[in-house]
Amino acid sequence: EIVMTQSPATLSVSPGERATLSCRASQSVSSNLAWYQQKPGQAPRLLIYGVSTRATGIPARFSGSGSGTEFTLTISSLQSEDFAFYYCQQYNNWPPGTFGQGTKVEMK
Amino acid sequence: EVQLLESGGGLVQPGGSQRLSCVASGLTFGSYAMSWVRQAPGKGLEWVSAISDSGGKIYYADSVKGRFTISRDNSKNTLYLQMNGLRADDTAIYYCVKDRMVYENWGQGTLVTVSS
Repeated sequence: EIVMTQSPATLSVSPGERATLSCRASQSVSSNLAWYQQKPGQAPRLLIYGVSTRATGIPARFSGSGSGTEFTLTISSLQSEDFAFYYCQQYNNWPPGTFGQGTKVEMK
Repeated sequence: EVQLLESGGGLVQPGGSQRLSCVASGLTFGSYAMSWVRQAPGKGLEWVSAISDSGGKIYYADSVKGRFTISRDNSKNTLYLQMNGLRADDTAIYYCVKDRMVYENWGQGTLVTVSS
């Protein structure tokens, strides 16, 4: 089973600043990497799949990059509604599709 | 608009059983694989099980294999998860999600609490 490790666990950012979240896979997942956003009390929302393709309705300030084992989610200018948990997920070696433990983006 | 509505959660004793249902609307249900993903309180996401569009292919996480059974009724646009031999570490919100690997559509979740 591929282990996904996200860093940092918590990221403190001021509104308008850039946020950079990292995700590392224990072995190559090629380009089969997705990102999800989850707010308290809500279901997760798909942000990005295939490393860098934004899902329907996702603003352009969200971008993904990377390949192999190292991936990054960047939020170019943080808005108030972006403070949430973020999870990466690999689906290259499926089943199971494994998730990272999450990064909390909080207001500085 | 795709809508997924789970039901069937609740409090169950260790060793007990529970059946979750998920009614789908806004999509041609029988054309899509479906999955269950769970989230323990304050924890991350864990894939549980998936079923192909026809129901002919079924997959389980090792943590639930032999205890949980996924099924679907395409005539009723409904996905099921039969959970037997429940343990305290099965306590979680269970989400119904569309597709097998990448999850664009989620239900609101149903909470299953395993406790005596």
